Amino acid sequence: AQRVTQPEKLLSVFKGAPVELKCNYSYSGSPELFWYVQYSRQRLQLLLRHISRESIKGFTADLNKGETSFHLKKPFAQEEDSAMYYCALPGGTSYGKLTFGQGTILTVHP
Amino acid sequence: IAGITQAPTSQILAAGRRMTLRCTQDMRHNAMYWYRQDLGLGLRLIHYSNTAGTTGKGEVPDGYSVSRANTDDFPLTLASAVPSQTSVYFCASRWTLNTGELFFGEGSRLTVL
Repeated sequence: AQRVTQPEKLLSVFKGAPVELKCNYSYSGSPELFWYVQYSRQRLQLLLRHISRESIKGFTADLNKGETSFHLKKPFAQEEDSAMYYCALPGGTSYGKLTFGQGTILTVHP
Repeated sequence: IAGITQAPTSQILAAGRRMTLRCTQDMRHNAMYWYRQDLGLGLRLIHYSNTAGTTGKGEVPDGYSVSRANTDDFPLTLASAVPSQTSVYFCASRWTLNTGELFFGEGSRLTVL
C-alpha cells in the first residue's frame, strides 16, 4: 500500500540555519512526489514537485529511490518559512488521489 | 477570482445533527476531493470524484457522503454528526487525474459537541 511518513511533527530552527524536513514513502512503481505548504491563515498550496526539479522559495527536494525518501531542504531558513509542510504521493489504485503524510510544523525563530 | 469556495468557514454542531459542507469551484476541474485535517494524522481522504456523476470512497469515508451532480459542486454531508468528526475539512480539485496541481479551499472548521 502507498504510504507517506513524515517522522517529525515539529521542527524548530533559527533563522539562517539549514533545514531539512524528512519524508519517506512506500510505493510500488515510479512515484511522483509533492510537497505542499500551509502558511498561517492561508490555504494549502503546492510548494514543489520532484518532476519539475525546480527550486521554490529556496527549497529543493531530491527523490532518492534507494532510500525511498523525498526530503525537503533549504540551506538558510527564513522566518517566513514557518508553516505546516506536507509530503504527498499518488494514492495508487484509485487514480488521481493524493496520499499525504502526517505533516511537519516548521518554526523558524529570529 | 477563480478558485475553490467552502462554506461554512466554521460551525459548531450538536451530536446527532445533519450537516452539509459546501464546496464550489469555478476552474472547471474534473476531479474533486474532500480531506480532513487532524494534528498528528495529517490529511486523510474522505471521498473523491474523478468527474461529474461519479464518486468514490477514500481512506476514512464512514459517516460521510458526497454527491457530484455537476462539475462545480461537491458537497460533503454528515448524516448524524459525532464528536470524532470534529476536524478541519478541506475541499480540493485538480484538472487532470494523473498530473496537475491540487488546489485547496480555505477549509471548514467543524466542532461536534
